[in-house]
Amino acid sequence: AQSVSQHNHHVILSEAASLELGCNYSYGGTVNLFWYVQYPGQHLQLLLKYFSGDPLVKGIKGFEAEFIKSKFSFNLRKPSVQWSDTAEYFCAVAGRNTDKLIFGTGTRLQVFP
Amino acid sequence: DAGVIQSPRHEVTEMGQEVTLRCKPISGHNSLFWYRQTMMRGLELLIYFNNNVPIDDSGMPEDRFSAKMPNASFSTLKIQPSEPRDSAVYFCASSLVWENTEAFFGQGTRLTVV
Repeated sequence: AQSVSQHNHHVILSEAASLELGCNYSYGGTVNLFWYVQYPGQHLQLLLKYFSGDPLVKGIKGFEAEFIKSKFSFNLRKPSVQWSDTAEYFCAVAGRNTDKLIFGTGTRLQVFP
Repeated sequence: DAGVIQSPRHEVTEMGQEVTLRCKPISGHNSLFWYRQTMMRGLELLIYFNNNVPIDDSGMPEDRFSAKMPNASFSTLKIQPSEPRDSAVYFCASSLVWENTEAFFGQGTRLTVV
């Protein structure tokens, strides 16, 4: 069955600290991978996506993620977080031959000045 | 395009009443998703449609929930009768499958059942 696991439920950082959020997926085929961000009180917005090609993808606001096929992982990184990055982050997976989009439980990030 | 449009933005209703949530996907998109977001369970996929046909409704919690997509530009999620545990934010999203695009989300409907 298709599933996504996010290991960190709540992360607290100071500004300028580095960030890495874990994401592992389970799916018996080729996948498309996504990270979405949800700012307080808002809807989900796409941060970055991976469909094929270079496994290191860069998104908006300085975020990047690396697809490691052997580990079924798609971890999100940012070298230096800002207070404005405070939000909830969701990893999502869709099978390449299906459009069923499944989300992880989310990671709440709090960044303190 | 105005994006995915959901209505109402907020709904407060009494237990036992029927609730209908509405969604207008982005024009040209052929997949539509309904999600429910709660603190306890996160973002759950309830049902999704492809070309107006329900493909997977395994996430629909029980028979009180039903969803329809009568045409490519409109979908509804109905709860009848509603219960307090249905209180959540319901999101609709649409995408263009097979074109390697992401899903775009609406602003959500915050449902409170009292």
